[in-house]
Amino acid sequence: DADVTQTPRNRITKTGKRIMLECSQTKGHDRMYWYRQDPGLGLQLIYYSFDVKDINKGEISDGYSVSRQAQAKFSLSLESAIPNQTALYFCATSDLTTSEQFFGPGTRLTVL
Amino acid sequence: GQNIDQPTEMTATEGAIVQINCTYQTSGFNGLFWYQQHAGEAPTFLSYNVLDGLEEKGRFSSFLSRSKGYSYLLLKELQMKDSASYLCAVRSPSGNTPLVFGKGTRLSVIA
Repeated sequence: DADVTQTPRNRITKTGKRIMLECSQTKGHDRMYWYRQDPGLGLQLIYYSFDVKDINKGEISDGYSVSRQAQAKFSLSLESAIPNQTALYFCATSDLTTSEQFFGPGTRLTVL
Repeated sequence: GQNIDQPTEMTATEGAIVQINCTYQTSGFNGLFWYQQHAGEAPTFLSYNVLDGLEEKGRFSSFLSRSKGYSYLLLKELQMKDSASYLCAVRSPSGNTPLVFGKGTRLSVIA
């Protein structure tokens, strides 16, 4: 079984809709992250959480919100989706001592 | 500030050797990661350097010079499956901030 899972894997939605992307992990890591990646570009950090009560904005948090429901779960919401949020979204977790990040398989989101 | 530079694209021939460079200017340093990412897939860990020198792992090696703010990933005996993006990422001294990723180098291996 995968250590970091994301649902859904693919989603097509319309402008203005509210969308939630979910991430679950079985690695027992306290630290979790959400990134977006546009075609041919690098990873951009949206939000990160170092424990259940900790939420931090990344470099591109506008238009997004997150919820850390438990150590194992970290959800990303788009309150009102817009076309330029079309991208590949990755969830990741990291070990406290090494900072090595482990990525989920990604969610491909298309906003029409 | 945080600044990590990598070449955007590289092309190399199957069976050859390629070196992908990464230079960094960050407010503090406590290690550098290399990740491999195939198109449409998640990044996967390749190597981690915290001390100066060369770390070898099969066909892949990674080098670090902390005084020069420089690292490279060396891929030997290139195979078509090595066509991917290679991301370097820097770890902060405290470990209390996320890794800072470069934009990645897209490597194309041709026959």
